[in-house]
Amino acid sequence: GAVVSQHPSWVICKSGTSVKIECRSLDFQATTMFWYRQFPKQSLMLMATSNEGSKATYEQGVEKDKFLINHASLTLSTLTVTSAHPEDSSFYICSALRDRVFGTEAFFGQGTRLTVV
Amino acid sequence: AQSVTQPDIHITVSEGASLELRCNYSYGATPYLFWYVQSPGQGLQLLLKYFSGDTLVQGIKGFEAEFKRSQSSFNLRKPSVHWSDAAEYFCAVVSNDYKLSFGAGTTVTVRA
Repeated sequence: GAVVSQHPSWVICKSGTSVKIECRSLDFQATTMFWYRQFPKQSLMLMATSNEGSKATYEQGVEKDKFLINHASLTLSTLTVTSAHPEDSSFYICSALRDRVFGTEAFFGQGTRLTVV
Repeated sequence: AQSVTQPDIHITVSEGASLELRCNYSYGATPYLFWYVQSPGQGLQLLLKYFSGDTLVQGIKGFEAEFKRSQSSFNLRKPSVHWSDAAEYFCAVVSNDYKLSFGAGTTVTVRA
């Protein structure tokens, strides 16, 4: 199947600093990627839709100035958590859409565990 | 708006026994449905998906799911579980713009 690589797998940062998470589709082009957040023992919640070459679309309640999304190429979307605080500690997962003749399918990265201390 | 309900938060099953995880969806049109598995500290892996056609869908790792429109359900089954099947399972439904809505998840514990 298609491969989506997320980097880093885990990161620890100090409160007040910024962290960038990368999501790459390794063997296909993805005009659309999604960013999800998962709190401990909870389900995944969609944060935003990342569209190549245009601004991201954020879900209600998600601070766009805090969670900066850039989708500069057809294979890369980045999520930057700015001025991170301990409450931003979470598991962040991206997915990339692959368009095929017989249907579109979403592939997920392995996730990034962010811990803010 | 679409939504997914997984009624069972936690299921414990003996190794070798059968497993069934329930999923109910709410969606106005024909749903695209997915089951994902997440091992501790890991990302999501697609087990199977339903777009159309045969309502009984076969997936990886010996899993299958049956789409029942009359019951708005998409239950996941495995005839004989292995210890490695212990994980979190998520049912999801996709909207027209391919945003996925996930259920709350079901934690599966396998006892020896």
